Parts: sequence; structure tokens; C-alpha cells
Amino acid sequence: SSELTQDPAVSVALGQTVRITCQGDSLRSYYASWYQQKPGQAPVLVIYGKNNRPSGIPDRFSGSSSGNTASLTITGAQAEDEADYYCNSRDSSGNLVVFGGGTKLTVL
Amino acid sequence: QLQLQESGPGLVKPSETLSLTCTVSGGSISSSSYYWGWIRQPPGKGLEWIGSIYYSGSTYYNPSLKSRVTISVDTSKNQFSLKLSSVTAADTAVYYCARLVLRQAMNYMDVWGKGTTVTVSS
Repeated sequence: SSELTQDPAVSVALGQTVRITCQGDSLRSYYASWYQQKPGQAPVLVIYGKNNRPSGIPDRFSGSSSGNTASLTITGAQAEDEADYYCNSRDSSGNLVVFGGGTKLTVL
Repeated sequence: QLQLQESGPGLVKPSETLSLTCTVSGGSISSSSYYWGWIRQPPGKGLEWIGSIYYSGSTYYNPSLKSRVTISVDTSKNQFSLKLSSVTAADTAVYYCARLVLRQAMNYMDVWGKGTTVTVSS
């Protein structure tokens, strides 16, 4: 079982803002990173660290954290943002890597 | 530009050992800044971390798979490999290799291979 919990599905109207959350005790000590995965493709890193975007990731993607909850926010969601989103961090021991169960984002 | 490429058999028989190799190009696997890892995704399911290795050979494994997993590194070939023994149909998945950054409170996988599908079937 995953030590990181995500809502299975979230929807957002085109152009609106959506927040996808990830909960876990280890997030009190470690940052979450976030990945976007479209059907048939490998995951792509979109947010890491406190709130860092790799080169090429649009600035409508942002990250934040509070207590045991990390959030990925998409401000002005686009049709191409429809995808599965996974959070990732370490377990409470700090030695092992864990993924959340994933959130399917639908853009209406 | 760093690239990772998975290779290995696409079909493995039950009870046998799954073997995959990830070839790193455009950079050195011996960099002290990175770990290298395997992640898998069963059909229609989420991502599962299998394990990670440092260029020195230090390894970390998912406890749920630890008894069956071996990850090794060959710095001379700029490759790292995965062996998963006693496979069953539940091990059918897309297998990805990735570069990991584990630094202070940060951890992320910034470069991924395209993935390779492995089916366990007789």
C-alpha cells in the first residue's frame, strides 16, 4: 500500500484553476515531486523541491506544501493538461521512494 | 542531453527471472549527484518504485519486492540492470528506468526512459 494518498479523480473547467493534493506523514520532512503522465507515454516531471519547474514546463504549474499535504496547482488549465498526475517522495525512514496512487485529471 | 533506454525480453515465463538493462547515454552513470532507479506500471494501474542504485553499488529496494529483486550497475558500460525472480502474471507491467536526485529534503526523477512492456505468460 502507498504511503502517499491522492484523490483518484479530479475535474476542472477549461481555463479554471485546479489543485491536486497528496497526503502522507513523510511530507512533513521531505518535499513531494509531481509527474504528469499521458496515455502510452512515460511520466514527465513537472514540479520538484519547494516549487521548482524543469525547463519546458509551463508556469501555470506550481507546487506548495503544508504539514503533511503537498499540492500541485494548475492555474488556467488547458485541454492538454488532461492526464494522470502522480506525487512522489520518500518514506518516513528517508531511504525508500514512494509514489501516490495517482489522480486522473479531466479538463471539461 | 541525457537519455535512458530500457532493453530486454518482452515475454517471460512464470517462475522465471525477468532481466532488463537500462543504457545511459549523453552522460555518465558514475556521477556522484545521482541515483538510478527502476519503476513499473501494471496495465491500468499506478506507478510502483522497484528500487534504486548508486554508482558505487549501494542499493535500496521496495520492501514488497526485496526478496526477488536485484539491481546492479556496470559503470564500464554506462548501464544498470534489473533482475526480478520467480515472476508471476502480477509482474506484467511497463518497466521504466529513471535518473533520481536524492538531495537533502528533495527527491525526484528528472529523466525517464520510454519504458518497455514485459508480459509474464507461458
